[in-house]
Amino acid sequence: QMQMQESGPGLVKPSETLSLTCSVSGGSISSHYWSWIRQSPGRGLEWIASVSYSGTTNYNPSLKSRVTILLDTSKNQFSLKLRSMTAADTAVYCCARVQESAVEGNNFYYFDHWGQGTLVTVSS
Amino acid sequence: DIQMTQSPSSLSASVGDRVTITCRASQSIGNFLNWYQQKPGKAPNLLIYAASSLQSGVPSRINGSGSGTDFTLTISSLQAEDFATYYCQQSYSTLFTFGGGTKVEIK
Repeated sequence: QMQMQESGPGLVKPSETLSLTCSVSGGSISSHYWSWIRQSPGRGLEWIASVSYSGTTNYNPSLKSRVTILLDTSKNQFSLKLRSMTAADTAVYCCARVQESAVEGNNFYYFDHWGQGTLVTVSS
Repeated sequence: DIQMTQSPSSLSASVGDRVTITCRASQSIGNFLNWYQQKPGKAPNLLIYAASSLQSGVPSRINGSGSGTDFTLTISSLQAEDFATYYCQQSYSTLFTFGGGTKVEIK
């Protein structure tokens, strides 16, 4: 059974960079797309970015200028960096796997495995 | 961005009730629509993908339907473990977006 676990600081100061890592066990990251999603009372669920097993990245345009997502196949991990943090970035950050399924000739994408999430608070 | 709007935002129901949640997309998304259930302190759990395909392990009392802009999640007979918040999510665009959620509470 695949498990995903986020790690990183719970508290970040304004203007600093958030660095989070998602460790994947019970499966290899050398397939599928992998994503970061955050959740806050004000913004709800917000997809941040995805990275493929080959390193292809896809970013939410609203965050693209501040975000980097990277894959580390040697450690079976992927990471998120979010620069210039503000109070508006306070949220629970989750990592998730993107599954692809073919249904009636179309390819469908959905998040089928998630980490438990880690609360990140931005405060001085 | 494709906006996803869910209604109602919350509802109260009893065990055994039939519950329907709707999700509307701001543009046609075919059947590129997924549903998730989230319980307090937990990550969302996939229920339905491609609008109507049941994820493995999800009970058959949960059903998804719809296409284009209007979608429905139905729980045919609400059980105690179904009290949670439900979210829709579109994957028509690579800019994945979620609905605001529907909280199902005990009446």
